[in-house]
Amino acid sequence: DTEVTQTPKHLVMGMTNKKSLKCEQHMGHRAMYWYKQKAKKPPELMFVYSYEKLSINESVPSRFSPECPNSSLLNLHLHALQPEDSALYLCASSQDPTVVYGYTFGSGTRLTVV
Amino acid sequence: AQSVTQLGSHVSVSEGALVLLRCNYSSSVPPYLFWYVQYPNQGLQLLLKYTSAATLVKGINDFEAEFKKSETSFHLTKPSAHMSDAAEYFCAVSDPQTGANNLFFGTGTRLTVIP
Repeated sequence: DTEVTQTPKHLVMGMTNKKSLKCEQHMGHRAMYWYKQKAKKPPELMFVYSYEKLSINESVPSRFSPECPNSSLLNLHLHALQPEDSALYLCASSQDPTVVYGYTFGSGTRLTVV
Repeated sequence: AQSVTQLGSHVSVSEGALVLLRCNYSSSVPPYLFWYVQYPNQGLQLLLKYTSAATLVKGINDFEAEFKKSETSFHLTKPSAHMSDAAEYFCAVSDPQTGANNLFFGTGTRLTVIP
């Protein structure tokens, strides 16, 4: 298995909803990442988990809450989002917390906040 | 902090022509450099990477890139464009000296292949 699987692929939520994005990999990678990508823009780093511990939070608003229950799974919990949070959310993983091996990205969850 | 500049937000080439996508980095110390491709409504796929080994790096789908320290460049090339190469291409950098385990992406270049 050489993939990062993200679910759901599409999500529409209201500003008062609570939802979660899920990311899973079975490659034995020990670092996992959440990126946000607005239309026609490059991905921007949100969170980094290294050996299941949060190592980087790029000043992301608290309405985004990451969770890493185990080494294969990464969640992003969403609550009280704003329409400007609509974007493609990408999960990635790497063999270890260095970038020398590059990242493997999932196909993303396209989130629309209404 | 490391950064990359991709010259040309849009590049058009004819099918069969040479593809050249430009990337320059800003650092006095050679960083790790990557090229990723993104097809519509997809995630990013790693094409190739430079991590201080050979300066000419070969990747998937006949893409290659050459690390030139004197020019602080890492341009992506492919000898002959295919229609299937039409996509968004991102150059990315990381700084091995700081041990930062995150990638910073350029603004991207959209490649159009004309039949």
